[in-house]
Amino acid sequence: EAQVTQNPRYLITVTGKKLTVTCSQNMNHEYMSWYRQDPGLGLRQIYYSMNVEVTDKGDVPEGYKVSRKEKRNFPLILESPSPNQTSLYFCASSLGGPNTEAFFGQGTRLTVV
Amino acid sequence: AQSVAQPEDQVNVAEGNPLTVKCTYSVSGNPYLFWYVQYPNRGLQFLLKYITGDNLVKGSYGFEAEFNKSQTSFHLKKPSALVSDSALYFCAVREKRPEAGTALIFGKGTTLSVSS
Repeated sequence: EAQVTQNPRYLITVTGKKLTVTCSQNMNHEYMSWYRQDPGLGLRQIYYSMNVEVTDKGDVPEGYKVSRKEKRNFPLILESPSPNQTSLYFCASSLGGPNTEAFFGQGTRLTVV
Repeated sequence: AQSVAQPEDQVNVAEGNPLTVKCTYSVSGNPYLFWYVQYPNRGLQFLLKYITGDNLVKGSYGFEAEFNKSQTSFHLKKPSALVSDSALYFCAVREKRPEAGTALIFGKGTTLSVSS
């Protein structure tokens, strides 16, 4: 089954404790991205990756890092989480062209206390 | 900058009635437009897209959307709503970015509530 898998689904952590949210896709997609969803703001792109070893900032990259060492994986790293990073996070992948739809993971609900 | 607006936070409709969820967009070139649906505790699911061609696009679960270039709109429609259609709906436009790559720019979402 074609899918994007994120882990964990739920995470509560404390301010400053480094964490990683994993994302893996099995569709051989070249383009992957991370979004955060906040009430009243919709989804905003954090980082994206065009291919292995190619990543770039989205609209809200501050406080986040990503890496793309393999085509299928695109982890999101919060080196020092803060309460304003409490949000619902989605990983997405697509073939990459402008006319292609994105496939989304189930989401990770992160709470930073 | 490209943008998407969903003017209604919530749309309420009775089961069996037609539904419309509104979306307007602003782009500098040809738009690539998408609708996604999000059910509680789930990720976003693709419903349909407009790339080019016929202005009426048909998608999953009986939904369709009408592209109107003069009004810069891409409203989502369904002739007969079901209670199970109750969810959060997002309109999105693909933005071609100068530094390469494309991004989906999302509207803020519209909650559809279908009553029995």
